[in-house]
Amino acid sequence: QSALTQPPSVSASPGQSVAISCTGTNSDVGNYNRVSWYQQPPGTAPKLIIYEVTNRPSGVPDRFSGSKSGNTASLTISGLQAEDEAYYYCSSYTSSGTWVFGGGTKLTV
Amino acid sequence: QLQLVESGGGVVQAGRSLRLSCAASGFTFSRFGMHWVRQAPGKGLEWVAIIRPDPNNKYYADSVRGRFTVSRDNSRNTLYLQMNNLRVDDTGVYYCARDGSGWCPDSWGQGTLVTVSS
Repeated sequence: QSALTQPPSVSASPGQSVAISCTGTNSDVGNYNRVSWYQQPPGTAPKLIIYEVTNRPSGVPDRFSGSKSGNTASLTISGLQAEDEAYYYCSSYTSSGTWVFGGGTKLTV
Repeated sequence: QLQLVESGGGVVQAGRSLRLSCAASGFTFSRFGMHWVRQAPGKGLEWVAIIRPDPNNKYYADSVRGRFTVSRDNSRNTLYLQMNNLRVDDTGVYYCARDGSGWCPDSWGQGTLVTVSS
């Protein structure tokens, strides 16, 4: 159950776009469209922002989008706002019937 | 309004046991799987366990299998995590989360802090 691989940090200016990658294996990201993304400002609980690779829960702005190619999933945030500054985590269902998270990416706006 | 409230955290010595609870409201608890996810201080999220609506259907992370047991009481709308033989590296905030229709934890509680001292 190795963690999914994410870049430790990314940064961009307000109004710009940024992409965060999430690399797994054929046993998780590559084998299922069950990748999700979470936003976690410091000191708060995680919030689901993308599920099943591309779907946004109600209330999540369409500035947030997800995609996947092979064993790598990506979260793209367009039109960056100061309030987007947070940690972002990917997660995937695995062939063992378990879940695995990425190590997290700190987004600085 | 959906709500998940964890309790039972605290300071415990290594080798001891602790039981966490998660009180659920605002949805039909018995119809949903429930996750436990933890976060060590200053670290990322680590998935711990899931219990499906069928209480005999459970899965665990390798790091806790054999020491932790997840259970549920649908009559009380409550999820539990029995943690035995605790280790220092079990220290962290423990979150309960509902398993949504999107094959992932979708709604989370605010967490309860567990500190394991040596």
